[in-house]
Amino acid sequence: QSALTQPASVSGSPGQPITISCTGTSSDVGGYDHVSWYQQHPGKAPKLLIYAVRNRPSGVSNRFSGSKSGNTASLTISGLQVEDEADYFCSSYRSSNTFWVFGGGTKLTVL
Amino acid sequence: EVQLVESGGGLVQPGGSLRLSCAASGFTFSSYSMNWVRRAPGKGLEWVSDINSSGSIISYADSVKGRFTISRDNAKNSLYLQMNSLRDEDTAVYFCARDRSGGCSGGSCYPGYYYDMDVWGQGTTVTVSS
Repeated sequence: QSALTQPASVSGSPGQPITISCTGTSSDVGGYDHVSWYQQHPGKAPKLLIYAVRNRPSGVSNRFSGSKSGNTASLTISGLQVEDEADYFCSSYRSSNTFWVFGGGTKLTVL
Repeated sequence: EVQLVESGGGLVQPGGSLRLSCAASGFTFSSYSMNWVRRAPGKGLEWVSDINSSGSIISYADSVKGRFTISRDNAKNSLYLQMNSLRDEDTAVYFCARDRSGGCSGGSCYPGYYYDMDVWGQGTTVTVSS
């Protein structure tokens, strides 16, 4: 049950945009529009940011957006803010006997 | 307020057992599938187990299969994880999470259902060490 592939870390300055990638296979990311993204601050619960590739739950800033091309999904944060510094995880439905798979996580540093 | 509160974590020796609990409030617990997800120190999120709304369909990650048992009591709005034969690598913060896949099957979902986890608890820490 290998995880989806994310960069270990990304960084950016306040106000800049950043993109985090999430690469899977045709059995998960590429085969279904069931990619979600989560934000986790240290010591806190994960928070759903994006669901079904590109949809934002109520209350999530429109600075967060999601997309997908082939086997790679992406999370873009426009106009970075200091409070965006956190760990970000992607997840996808996977067509196997266990449906859930997460990415390894990306640590975002706001310089 | 929709809320999940985990409890039951602690320090246990290798080979020992623990039972985690997750108390749900603010929503109709019996209508949702539930999950346990963990995060080991310095690692990412790892899905552990899930159970459908009635408790009739259960699945486990290979890393815990045969050692962990998920269950729920809809009358008590509670989710449980019985962990036996614990190993050092089970050390992690364990989260319970609600998912919205109740109307999904084989990758297809009815409108309003999604493969995501929309509500999470704050987590309970399990440390396996001698």
